[in-house]
Amino acid sequence: SQKIEQNSEALNIQEGKTATLTCNYTNYSPAYLQWYRQDPGRGPVFLLLIRENEKEKRKERLKVTFDTTLKQSLFHITASQPADSATYLCALQNSGGYQKVTFGTGTKLQVIP
Amino acid sequence: ETGVTQTPRHLVMGMTNKKSLKCEQHLGHNAMYWYKQSAKKPLELMFVYSLEERVENNSVPSRFSPECPNSSHLFLHLHTLQPEDSALYLCASSQGALAGGGSGTQYFGPGTRLTVL
Repeated sequence: SQKIEQNSEALNIQEGKTATLTCNYTNYSPAYLQWYRQDPGRGPVFLLLIRENEKEKRKERLKVTFDTTLKQSLFHITASQPADSATYLCALQNSGGYQKVTFGTGTKLQVIP
Repeated sequence: ETGVTQTPRHLVMGMTNKKSLKCEQHLGHNAMYWYKQSAKKPLELMFVYSLEERVENNSVPSRFSPECPNSSHLFLHLHTLQPEDSALYLCASSQGALAGGGSGTQYFGPGTRLTVL
């Protein structure tokens, strides 16, 4: 069955360092991979989307890589700040149809001042 | 704000009550979704409406009944719920249709925190 695993339930990092979150998947051939941020008591907010034929995508301090051979995506936040503390969700999306999106359990990032 | 609103934000109900959750999107999208989020579990897709037609029902118990009267509004009618149904219920919309088009990026509402006593 399809499975999405995010490296750890929680990750603590010192302010200013680069946070790296991992998303691995099995039994899936996604057309797109997305990353979302979720704050407590709120809905997830879309951050970045990367297509299966793209290796890397950047947006300000965020960088996403996508390796379809390893079936893995890495999500980096450079120069991390306490305001980056949140849960980050990886999501896979197929192509065609109504573009069903399947979410991972998330990694809770805590940036320590 | 994401352009997706949900009411109520919090709901406490007994197992014999009937209530409804409401979602409205102001983004002109043509697909709307209901998700359930429980602690330490991934988001569970419950229902999908695309162009106002239900295209997915993920083995959800019949005590949950969705309704999509138009492309901007989505309801989730609840009756005779169980305590294990307590969770955060999230509505989302996207520009994705059976005919294709759009990235399928999900725009979520703030959710309804449901507690079943």
